Amino acid sequence: GAGVSQSPSNKVTEKGKDVELRCDPISGHTALYWYRQSLGQGLEFLIYFQGNSAPDKSGLPSDRFSAERTGGSVSTLTIQRTQQEDSAVYLCASSLWDDNEQFFGPGTRLTVL
Amino acid sequence: GQNIDQPTEMTATEGAIVQINCTYQTSGFNGLFWYQQHAGEAPTFLSYNVLDGLEEKGRFSSFLSRSKGYSYLLLKELQMKDSASYLCAVSYNTDKLIFGTGTRLQVFP
Repeated sequence: GAGVSQSPSNKVTEKGKDVELRCDPISGHTALYWYRQSLGQGLEFLIYFQGNSAPDKSGLPSDRFSAERTGGSVSTLTIQRTQQEDSAVYLCASSLWDDNEQFFGPGTRLTVL
Repeated sequence: GQNIDQPTEMTATEGAIVQINCTYQTSGFNGLFWYQQHAGEAPTFLSYNVLDGLEEKGRFSSFLSRSKGYSYLLLKELQMKDSASYLCAVSYNTDKLIFGTGTRLQVFP
């Protein structure tokens, strides 16, 4: 079946603009995760959804970052007033439930000029 | 914090065996994952350990000692395609999966 999909695959934006990143998890997966990976670095946890609720938002770097999930499926990560340090690959993953194998999407490469 | 420590880089020869170690803080531990990530690609799942001991899956094996906060990933009969980053990730009671920075493995002919 279809895996996790993310859009756009690449996004170039100007400093100060808002961007919205989308994640479509595998159908039936209740848990959804957002991570950020800077060049040559490990994965940085951002936020986790169980269904539509986010029990853990502690990883969001600042109040410019927000995320939502609707219908227990699609999730969007919004970054307001982007800064150059926001440039990274944003990865989404989903799993059947908590503490289970996570399937990763291909990521969105964000470049803030 | 919940630091995950693993070596930054390792090198090995085609056909050899390599062991990649990972240490973590034990408080609140639920389980430990190993992921493989080729350059420019998303991570892919390799293994999941909850109980102590060795889990073997083909050329790859993963070991866990919960009391020591220690795991290793063992790769046998190395192939050139095994050149990648190997990520150790720990699931804690907070429902958060904490990733290490990854070990970049280079396999030489």
